[in-house]
Amino acid sequence: DQQVKQNSPSLSVQEGRISILNCDYTNSMFDYFLWYKKYPAEGPTFLISISSIKDKNEDGRFTVFLNKSAKHLSLHIVPSQPGDSAVYFCAASNRRSNTGKLIFGQGTTLQVKP
Amino acid sequence: NAGVTQTPKFQVLKTGQSMTLQCAQDMNHNSMYWYRQDPGMGLRLIYYSASEGTTDKGEVPNGYNVSRLNKREFSLRLESAAPSQTSVYFCASSEIGNTEAFFGQGTRLTVV
Repeated sequence: DQQVKQNSPSLSVQEGRISILNCDYTNSMFDYFLWYKKYPAEGPTFLISISSIKDKNEDGRFTVFLNKSAKHLSLHIVPSQPGDSAVYFCAASNRRSNTGKLIFGQGTTLQVKP
Repeated sequence: NAGVTQTPKFQVLKTGQSMTLQCAQDMNHNSMYWYRQDPGMGLRLIYYSASEGTTDKGEVPNGYNVSRLNKREFSLRLESAAPSQTSVYFCASSEIGNTEAFFGQGTRLTVV
């Protein structure tokens, strides 16, 4: 049973436009959400996170929105750049468990066209 | 500035062979993890060690064993490799209570 789902395997956008990546979760115990970025032949790198007590977190071109009632979060990249082309993973955690375990979605491959 | 280091980077095994994947971190983190990445499946947790001296099963532990050798090192062992264990394996570490995990560069394992 997939607790974290990214239903779009791929997304293609034009340079300069907005990229919106979506993620849904089912477990109400999750209270912390993260986005990771992964280039080929490299490990995932942390991008941005959000606590369940917030509905928005912004870091430069990257903004994550959380809708707890819908159990949905999204990552907005504005403006998109060719260097943003990568696989993006959504992840969720129950921080109160104090284990640091992350449950990942399947990933979305973003292609930003020049 | 090494972060999380995994060895080897690539490995080909025959069915039934055994091997150990090594992982070391130099960030003084308490928690360490082993994930596997498969197409269409994302990253799935195999085993984790919340602190030195403890290990626990993750989502997909069958066919694997782990050892938390000390605070820095966390190894993953395949006792009898199977083709279903063909995957890319990632080691990660984090502080207790801080779930921003740092990942190694991965080990690409093929079992034939």
